[in-house]
Amino acid sequence: LAKTTQPISMDSYEGQEVNITCSHNNIATNDYITWYQQFPSQGPRFIIQGYKTKVTNEVASLFIPADRKSSTLSLPRVSLSDTAVYYCLVGPGSGNTGKLIFGQGTTLQVKP
Amino acid sequence: DAGVIQSPRHEVTEMGQEVTLRCKPISGHDYLFWYRQTMMRGLELLIYFNNNVPIDDSGMPEDRFSAKMPNASFSTLKIQPSEPRDSAVYFCASSPRGGRDTEAFFGQGTRLTVV
Repeated sequence: LAKTTQPISMDSYEGQEVNITCSHNNIATNDYITWYQQFPSQGPRFIIQGYKTKVTNEVASLFIPADRKSSTLSLPRVSLSDTAVYYCLVGPGSGNTGKLIFGQGTTLQVKP
Repeated sequence: DAGVIQSPRHEVTEMGQEVTLRCKPISGHDYLFWYRQTMMRGLELLIYFNNNVPIDDSGMPEDRFSAKMPNASFSTLKIQPSEPRDSAVYFCASSPRGGRDTEAFFGQGTRLTVV
């Protein structure tokens, strides 16, 4: 499974756009990139998933360059309620193993 | 659907006691995952099932931990005997399929405290 690297923490202010980048240099050809969000005392929640280029939904955008060795989660105009831990996952890819491995995540703190 | 349901939400037990955590996945989901979360180790995958069959239990810390899925709508994670270092939040999750383009749905978790 591809290893991911993302910043441990980030700070932002309300109304700003936040970009969290995840590195995954050994991503496999058929791996997808998925982001989850976790609030305190809750289980992780799916935010967005993509394979290449750009994906956008009502919550966030996901930018994936052509080489797919990194990806950027973009949260537009964050609010205090976006304070959470954000996880980048890659895979499971080949064999459809179904295995979901979470890394350390990025703790985003949104300030007023 | 009510989502993934875990019980109990909180459990406090004494060292040496048996603890059983329960999970009801979303109906129709083929995959079920058990995770443990602590401040020190983050979110660890313990075991996952596909169609009620354990596929990978390499994350199970030791023989004191066991997990079963007797049918598609129920799974248990048992710790016997429990130890203080088992204190953590245990999450159950289910997904409609494995592989690349899938989304896992998590329960609210069981906060276990072993004293």
